[in-house]
Amino acid sequence: DGGITQSPKYLFRKEGQNVTLSCEQNLNHDAMYWYRQDPGQGLRLIYYSQIVNDFQKGDIAEGYSVSREKKESFPLTVTSAQKNPTAFYLCASSTSGGALEQFFGPGTRLTVL
Amino acid sequence: AQKITQTQPGMFVQEKEAVTLDCTYDTSDPSYGLFWYKQPSSGEMIFLIYQGSYDQQNATEGRYSLNFQKARKSANLVISASQLGDSAMYFCAMRGSGGSRLTFGEGTQLTVNP
Repeated sequence: DGGITQSPKYLFRKEGQNVTLSCEQNLNHDAMYWYRQDPGQGLRLIYYSQIVNDFQKGDIAEGYSVSREKKESFPLTVTSAQKNPTAFYLCASSTSGGALEQFFGPGTRLTVL
Repeated sequence: AQKITQTQPGMFVQEKEAVTLDCTYDTSDPSYGLFWYKQPSSGEMIFLIYQGSYDQQNATEGRYSLNFQKARKSANLVISASQLGDSAMYFCAMRGSGGSRLTFGEGTQLTVNP
């Protein structure tokens, strides 16, 4: 089945450690996105990529990094510079341009101890 | 800059009744798209309905319809014949003409009572 996978579903890390969240899609979408969601709040855009080997900062990019070496994959690294990394992280993809919606993965809940 | 406002943090509705979730937006883009997503407690985001700024008719998808009032900059979601499974968080989102990124509102938590 076509879709977006994120792994793992739950992730625990010690403060000061970098951690990488995985996002893979087999929808042949050009564009991919990372969002952060805090409890009871909406989604905020961290980074997005419209094409392989290119990406742009979203609204809250500080303390995060991404890469887009393959069309199917858009991993997000939460670095030790991110002051409050505990949150729910959602990855999405879409066709580039057009009116079509973004498709979301199941999310990764990151807890930093 | 784009902004989405959802003024109802929580809404309650009786099963089988209709409910309207409010969404207002602000943008200077001449062309834009409006989306509604549902987020159950499991966390995944489920696309419900889309309305383009130049669409002449309000969008409908099954029990979901979008009450689009361009002059008022509102894009309210109407859910008819509510079901217990409709209990979830609902987000309004907008995409401007400059690209594919979405701006989300804070969401409305809908509870359907039996």
